[in-house]
Order: sequence, then structure tokens, then C-alpha cells
Amino acid sequence: DVKVTQSSRYLVKRTGEKVFLECVQDMDHENMFWYRQDPGLGLRLIYFSYDVKMKEKGDIPEGYSVSREKKERFSLILESASTNQTSMYLCASRKGVGYTFGSGTRLTVV
Amino acid sequence: AQSVTQPDIHITVSEGASLELRCNYSYGATPYLFWYVQSPGQGLQLLLKYFSGDTLVQGIKGFEAEFKRSQSSFNLRKPSVHWSDAAEYFCAVGGGEYGNKLVFGAGTILRVKS
Repeated sequence: DVKVTQSSRYLVKRTGEKVFLECVQDMDHENMFWYRQDPGLGLRLIYFSYDVKMKEKGDIPEGYSVSREKKERFSLILESASTNQTSMYLCASRKGVGYTFGSGTRLTVV
Repeated sequence: AQSVTQPDIHITVSEGASLELRCNYSYGATPYLFWYVQSPGQGLQLLLKYFSGDTLVQGIKGFEAEFKRSQSSFNLRKPSVHWSDAAEYFCAVGGGEYGNKLVFGAGTILRVKS
């Protein structure tokens, strides 16, 4: 089975800090995604990448950037964390029509 | 803009009763359709998916969903709910006009009364 691994399950950061959320997939998937999940809003797409060094904005990219230097790794960057970025962050990868999700990182910004 | 609507935020059913969770999407052609379940503190688990063919799709845990093109709907059903089905359920749509993206509904929280 494909595994999508998010490096941290829980993270607490201070306002203004630069935050890196890491995601690694162990198969040769071209497409990778970052979502944030908030109660009552479901999952909203932040950014996705369809190849190394390629990225596209999702529905809520403001305040975020991404990096994909290697095919297996897709990083989400909060340049200056704010309290409204407190959320659950989910990474996913896709090949064909199969999507695989990581377990999520619960980020709290204080 | 592409959108997925789950009109029910919360649903409460008695154990053993039947269940139907609604999902509508805004797209003319047939996209890929998914239902996921998330138990508290857990990750997303795929229940079932539809790409083409038979419009009634069987999934895991006794769930099924029916694609109705004329109504742009993909409702999830289960004939007899178990207490362990209490969770949050997400409908998602991808492919076609949605392209690479998987667009999610806001979710429906299912409570099961004993």
C-alpha cells in the first residue's frame, strides 16, 4: 500500500514563526496536495503539485507557500504563522484516480 | 466555481435504522466521486468511489452510494446503522472540470442513538 507520512502529528508554534510541514510519499506519485481541515468547512485545498518544482494554487493559498524539490517530498510553509492558521493539515498524493491521505498534522499557533 | 454540497451538517439516527447522507456537486459531466469517513482523532478512510459504469456502487462497512446524473447527486446509504458508524462523512469530487483537484463537501456528522 502507498504510504503518505506527515512528519509531525501535533505542532505548537508562536505567532510570527516560520513553520514547515513535511509530507513524504513512498510511491512514484506525480501529484501531491496540501489541505487544511476546519470544523464545518470540510477540507480546503491550499496548494498542489503535479511534478517536481511545479505547483499550483488551490482555493486558499494566502499565507502559505510550498516546496517540491524531490518527487517524494512536498513541504507546506507558513512564512509567518498567525493564529488563524491553527488547523488540521492533511497531505495527500495521487496517481491516476487513487488518492492517499496522511494522518494529518494538528497545528496550533499561539 | 466547482462546489460540493452536503446539506446536512448533523444527522442522528437510531442504531439499526437506515441511513442516507446527501451529496450534490456542480458540474455538468460525470466527475470522479468519492465518500470518505473520519472517526474522531483518525485519518480519512475511503468508503467507496465511482468513476463510470454501474451507478450503484458498493463500498466497505456495508455502505453503498448511487450516482444520479440528472440530479448531480451521489448519496451514501446504509440499510442498518451500527453504533461504530458514528463519525464524520465527507463527499468529494475530482477529475473532469475539477482536474487534478479533489474538492470536498463540508462534511456530515453522524450520531447514532442506542
